Amino acid sequence: DVQLTQSPSSLSAAVGDRVTITCRTSLNLGEYLNWYQQKPGKAPNLIVYAVSTLHSGVPSRFSGSASGSGTEFTLTISSLQREDMATYYCQQGYSSPPTFGGGTKVEI
Amino acid sequence: QLQLVQSGGGVVQPGTSLRLSCTASGFTFSAYAFHWVRQAPGEGLEWVAFISSTGINKYFADSVRGRFTISRDDSKNTLFLEMSSLTGDDTAVYYCARVEDTPRPNWFDPWGQGSLVIVSS
Repeated sequence: DVQLTQSPSSLSAAVGDRVTITCRTSLNLGEYLNWYQQKPGKAPNLIVYAVSTLHSGVPSRFSGSASGSGTEFTLTISSLQREDMATYYCQQGYSSPPTFGGGTKVEI
Repeated sequence: QLQLVQSGGGVVQPGTSLRLSCTASGFTFSAYAFHWVRQAPGEGLEWVAFISSTGINKYFADSVRGRFTISRDDSKNTLFLEMSSLTGDDTAVYYCARVEDTPRPNWFDPWGQGSLVIVSS
């Protein structure tokens, strides 16, 4: 199975801060990396798919990117808002079974 | 509006069985594949099972293979997860999620609201 390592596991930031979450793997995933936001007691919601495509309705302060090697991926929140408090998960859609990173809890 | 509505969770004793349902609306159910994903209390997301759009291809995580069954009833726009020989390690919130039926797993959207399964004596 493809292992995804997310960092940090948690972070605390202020409203307006720029926040970066990283997801690393040993396999070149190409464009098959997605990001989800999960708020307490709720189901995950897709926010970014295919590395950098924002899902419909997701604010433009969210963005996704990848390093040239296809093994390091980043989710960035350009200006953190209170409603962004959640846990964020990366997920690889490159090979079966699909796997998830361990999650990054964002606190404000 | 794309929607997956789940039902069937609850508290069950070890060794027993339970069936979860996931009913879709707002899209052509038969054209899509589906996954079940679970989340143990305070933990991350764990993939559980997959069924293709035709229902022919089915895959399971090692932790549930031989105990869980996935199926679909396209006439009722409903996905099922039959769980048997349940243990405490199966305690989790179970989510259904839709995917495009492509060779690669791709992304999950939308997700059901979740069904809590507690296995306890």
